[in-house]
Amino acid sequence: AQRVTQPEKLLSVFKGAPVELKCNYSYSGSPELFWYVQYSRQRLQLLLRHISRESIKGFTADLNKGETSFHLKKPFAQEEDSAMYYCALDYKLSFGAGTTVTVRA
Amino acid sequence: NAGVTQTPKFRILKIGQSMTLQCTQDMNHNYMYWYRQDPGMGLKLIYYSVGAGITDKGEVPNGYNVSRSTTEDFPLRLELAAPSQTSVYFCASNALGEKLFFGSGTQLSVL
Repeated sequence: AQRVTQPEKLLSVFKGAPVELKCNYSYSGSPELFWYVQYSRQRLQLLLRHISRESIKGFTADLNKGETSFHLKKPFAQEEDSAMYYCALDYKLSFGAGTTVTVRA
Repeated sequence: NAGVTQTPKFRILKIGQSMTLQCTQDMNHNYMYWYRQDPGMGLKLIYYSVGAGITDKGEVPNGYNVSRSTTEDFPLRLELAAPSQTSVYFCASNALGEKLFFGSGTQLSVL
């Protein structure tokens, strides 16, 4: 069975501080992982996927197969980063429980 | 393009009533999904479809039914609504291996 774990339900950081959202997965095959974001009153949308290895809105995520992790990082959080973030695993697109990020001025 | 369109946006049902949540997409995606989002629980997959005429159960299918007669439409049916089905429902679609496009959600309350 595949599982995605996001251990932090809530994360609060100050503007300009680094932010890291943790995601761990369990999957027997070769995983494809995604981060989705839901801003207030907006639809869920893709933030980034590991296969593209890109930085979106200053966020990066590295797949670590040894630790089965796909943590999302941003060195300097901005207020507009306040949102709910979901880590997702391909294959029936399993989602984690989500982490609500609040960036305070 | 409209993307993924869900209707209705809000609905209140009485226990035992039935309803259909509509979902349509205009991107010619083969894959479509229904999720429910409970507070603090993240998204759970109810049913999914890999193409017209093909559907399969997800993680939490009990109490729901789906059909996929066309590529565009993927309705979700609740036959006998129960309070446990109070949730926010999201429809999504994608092409194989590509990002998901989500609908705006349906907030359902069963009282």
